[in-house]
Amino acid sequence: DIIMTQSPDSLAVSLGERATINCKSSQSVFTSSNNQNCLAWYQQKPGQPPNLLIYWASTRESGVPDRFSGSGSGTDFTLTISSLQAEDVAVYYCQQYFGFPVTFGGGTKVEIK
Amino acid sequence: QVQLQESGPGLVKPSQTLSLTCTVSGDSFSSGNYQWSWIRQPAGKGLEWIGRMYASGRTDYNPSLKSRVTILVDTSKNQLSLKVTSVTAADTAVYYCARDFGPSPNNWFDPWGQGTLVTVSS
Repeated sequence: DIIMTQSPDSLAVSLGERATINCKSSQSVFTSSNNQNCLAWYQQKPGQPPNLLIYWASTRESGVPDRFSGSGSGTDFTLTISSLQAEDVAVYYCQQYFGFPVTFGGGTKVEIK
Repeated sequence: QVQLQESGPGLVKPSQTLSLTCTVSGDSFSSGNYQWSWIRQPAGKGLEWIGRMYASGRTDYNPSLKSRVTILVDTSKNQLSLKVTSVTAADTAVYYCARDFGPSPNNWFDPWGQGTLVTVSS
């Protein structure tokens, strides 16, 4: 299985400041079939299911605010919230869909400082 | 708009079989456009993909659970089902169904059902 490691486990950011979450895969998730990275990001608020934010490492899902952005390639990826809002308090997960089975990171909890 | 709703017993005794149903509205299994997955999340922990059903009836299972898991579909009711045999406390989790989306066979998931908590306890 491809192991997904997220860091930090949690972070506290002031409103309006930048939040950066890292995700590292144990092997490359780049696919030459379409020159894309098979990496998705989800947001999970308390008591709710995960909600898709980004796929192909940097493609924002329809309706997701543009303060959320994804970057990276190969084995190292980043989710950035450019200006943290109160409604962004949640746990964020990365997921690889290159290898079988698909696997998720352990999650990063984002709180307001 | 696709909606998924999980249902089933919230409490299962150790060594018994966990059985859940996911009812899909707004899309049809028989359309063949997507795969449909089960994913679980133990309390306070991360997410584990359990398995998926293709429109063809083919299934894929996580090797870590394959010997105990069965996923079935009832196209007449537009329902996906999950059975996990010989459960232990380690199977206590919120169970989600979700639509696979993406390049196939491995995909991201969107949307997800609200999830149902299953506790394994005597």
